[in-house]
Amino acid sequence: DIQMTQSPSSLSASVGDRVTITCRASQTISRYLNWYLQEPGKAPRLLIYTSSILQSGVPSRFSGGGSQTDFTLTISSLQPEDFATYYCQQTYSTPYTFGQGTKLEIK
Amino acid sequence: EVQLVQSGVEVKKPGEPLQISCKGSGYTFAAFWIAWVRQMPGQGLEFMGIIYPGDSDTRYSPSFRGQVTISADKSISTAYLQWSSLKASDTAIYYCARHQKGDYSRPSGMDVWGQGTTVTVS
Repeated sequence: DIQMTQSPSSLSASVGDRVTITCRASQTISRYLNWYLQEPGKAPRLLIYTSSILQSGVPSRFSGGGSQTDFTLTISSLQPEDFATYYCQQTYSTPYTFGQGTKLEIK
Repeated sequence: EVQLVQSGVEVKKPGEPLQISCKGSGYTFAAFWIAWVRQMPGQGLEFMGIIYPGDSDTRYSPSFRGQVTISADKSISTAYLQWSSLKASDTAIYYCARHQKGDYSRPSGMDVWGQGTTVTVS
């Protein structure tokens, strides 16, 4: 299985801050990397797919990048609704493993 | 509206069988891979497996192979997740999700999620 490692596991930030979350794959996955946001008590929702393509309806303050083994999710200016848990997932080969999650909290 | 609607809360005893469902609507159910994802209490997301309802091609995560059965009935646009004998460690929320199509129709990100089915085994 391909292992996905996110860092940091948790992060405290303020409204308006710029934050970056990283995701590393244990082997090359080309650009087959997706990012999700999960609010407490809700199902996850897709933010970015294929490393950098913004899902329809997702605000432009979210951006993604990277290829092969190293990827980033950046939020340019945090809004109150962005404080949640973020997951990366590879869809290069099954099983389509997730990272362990990054919990973004209000400072 | 494209949506996946899952069956309701389940409370079961260890050793009992269970099947939960995920019904798609608003799109051609047979043409998109459906995944099952587990979330244990307070934990992260775990990929369990996927099925292509069009031909029932199924891929399991090694962690779940032999523990659950994934199936689908394209005639009623429904996917299933089944246990023959539940354990307390199966207590979790189970999500189904649709993989949107990427390059060459390979699975891409999961763009539509069910609301989750809470399974408690005690």
